[in-house]
Amino acid sequence: GAGVSQTPSNKVTEKGKYVELRCDPISGHTALYWYRQSLGQGPEFLIYFQGTGAADDSGLPNDRFFAVRPEGSVSTLKIQRTERGDSAVYLCASSLSRDNTGELFFGEGSRLTVL
Amino acid sequence: GQNIDQPTEMTATEGAIVQINCTYQTSGFNGLFWYQQHAGEAPTFLSYNVLDGLEEKGRFSSFLSRSKGYSYLLLKELQMKDSASYLCAVRARLTGGGNKLTFGTGTQLKVEL
Repeated sequence: GAGVSQTPSNKVTEKGKYVELRCDPISGHTALYWYRQSLGQGPEFLIYFQGTGAADDSGLPNDRFFAVRPEGSVSTLKIQRTERGDSAVYLCASSLSRDNTGELFFGEGSRLTVL
Repeated sequence: GQNIDQPTEMTATEGAIVQINCTYQTSGFNGLFWYQQHAGEAPTFLSYNVLDGLEEKGRFSSFLSRSKGYSYLLLKELQMKDSASYLCAVRARLTGGGNKLTFGTGTQLKVEL
């Protein structure tokens, strides 16, 4: 597509529920990143995919968070047993390859609110 | 790990020049980025430095000193629309290949008349 697409743009859920956030990167971009951003803070790194594999998942806060990218394109971030502290904007970004200047193109984000 | 430090807030006057500083500590340094983020919007790319020196791009310039772990973003001829958060981000090589981009907390710039 023309840009990075994220759905849903807004998600309100109750504490304890399961949530999936989807990211459709720019066509041909092999690198995909998930970040989480709270109000007044910079984006916090969660996980990085190069192709289908997670090259670095050190930013996932705990085992309730999981992400997949089965075909090397679309990625899904999955959050189990959501907590109020998970409320944030979840940003997805993609870039062309591991060796280019590395400019990341961001989606508009998915705003998650856990009540 | 990585440590990135930048001021939380700055205020400047329309038409003036402002410099936003960023200091960092990282292993495997592989470039420094500046992004602009307006409230409620996604970050957008402004500049990239991997070698020491100044990169100029219109009203925006970015400087890097790798030995000092220091960068700045210079904005000239400030306009009201430049009011935004400016994010410093450091890229580091991963041992398994690829790169990881880590952001600072951002500097909220307010441009006043």
